[in-house]
Amino acid sequence: GESVGLHLPTLSVQEGDNSIINCAYSNSASDYFIWYKQESGKGPQFIIDIRSNMDKRQGQRVTVLLNKTVKHLSLQIAATQPGDSAVYFCAENLLHDYKLSFGAGTTVTVRA
Amino acid sequence: EAGVTQSPTHLIKTRGQQATLRCSPISGHTSVYWYQQALGLGLQFLLWYDEGEERNRGNFPPRFSGRQFPNYSSELNVNALELEDSALYLCASSLVRYGYTFGSGTRLTVV
Repeated sequence: GESVGLHLPTLSVQEGDNSIINCAYSNSASDYFIWYKQESGKGPQFIIDIRSNMDKRQGQRVTVLLNKTVKHLSLQIAATQPGDSAVYFCAENLLHDYKLSFGAGTTVTVRA
Repeated sequence: EAGVTQSPTHLIKTRGQQATLRCSPISGHTSVYWYQQALGLGLQFLLWYDEGEERNRGNFPPRFSGRQFPNYSSELNVNALELEDSALYLCASSLVRYGYTFGSGTRLTVV
């Protein structure tokens, strides 16, 4: 089975609030992680990535946190907008094995 | 820069037939990956090609196969189609393991 999982299948957030999406992984050998956003009928879109030698990385309105001690990954979205409504997946990757292992995804719904 | 392109966008086949899906990677990317996404579910890894060779295979039966051409484009073949093969098939490409970019997918419907 998949080694990456998400804690919650759905998340409802008020527009303008911050969103936090969590992800647990079980393979301690994974050293590269990616967050993707998938809108209905489209392919996954890269949001942000992080390597295991880092514990935090920031992008535009997004921050990824990596806690290797408890094998936990989170995506924070600042000032959530209606366009952020989508399914969010975390994915993990092992060195020398380029395939990504995905969790089931969290559906984020932004309330106006 | 053109992204990963997949064709066709939609494909309807009858059970028992064969389906061929195509993927063109981002220019400069040598690795191509195929994933299956059943409705409402996550992505399941199918195949990984790099430099024309199959490098890894997911837990799928042998009737799922593919190849990568010298120009790094790829083809996924699904033989003896079953109803449960209906899904969105996603192709991704990367250079080494970074820059992992997905196409928009081929929606395969088996009737």
